[in-house]
Amino acid sequence: DTEVTQTPKHLVMGMTNKKSLKCEQHMGHRAMYWYKQKAKKPPELMFVYSYEKLSINESVPSRFSPECPNSSLLNLHLHALQPEDSALYLCASSQLSNTGELFFGEGSRLTVL
Amino acid sequence: QQQVKQSPQSLIVQKGGISIINCAYENTAFDYFPWYQQFPGKGPALLIAIRPDVSEKKEGRFTISFNKSAKQFSLHIMDSQPGDSATYFCAARIKAAGNKLTFGGGTRVLVKP
Repeated sequence: DTEVTQTPKHLVMGMTNKKSLKCEQHMGHRAMYWYKQKAKKPPELMFVYSYEKLSINESVPSRFSPECPNSSLLNLHLHALQPEDSALYLCASSQLSNTGELFFGEGSRLTVL
Repeated sequence: QQQVKQSPQSLIVQKGGISIINCAYENTAFDYFPWYQQFPGKGPALLIAIRPDVSEKKEGRFTISFNKSAKQFSLHIMDSQPGDSATYFCAARIKAAGNKLTFGGGTRVLVKP
């Protein structure tokens, strides 16, 4: 079982809706990540939080707003999304060490109508 | 220079056979090379990883071969089993760039019984 928990597993929203994706880990990791994955494609990095501070934003549109309330939680707030934003959104965490091993959650499958 | 090129895109192997997936990179600043396995509907999971100062690493039926001069690395799955049917992603990381992973395009492996 994954130690990175994502909710909800599935989300359907209209283009005018506001919703949030949530991610939680209890491994004591101090880095947390949001990735976007389209079908049959590799994960694409969106955001990285290091010690609860945003350290990397891969030029993601402002309709995606990340938040890291504490070292165990990571949210992704969604507003005014487009149908092309439909994808699997993956959360991951890692220690800030040389291993660089990322632990991924199972993802939230988002459909924008 | 950030690209990691992965081949083949898909692979069919008989049970008991050897699956071989190849990756190539250009950026010599990459310092960590993990392989992730992803089953449908699941997030990627770390399978095995190697550093550029090691030429080979074996864990059970999975072996990474690394050729630093050629800037290539490969995954060998020995005695392939139907349960190995999944998508495999190679990746590369530059620690100084915030532990950011660059993924290859993925290889869908189907092991026939």
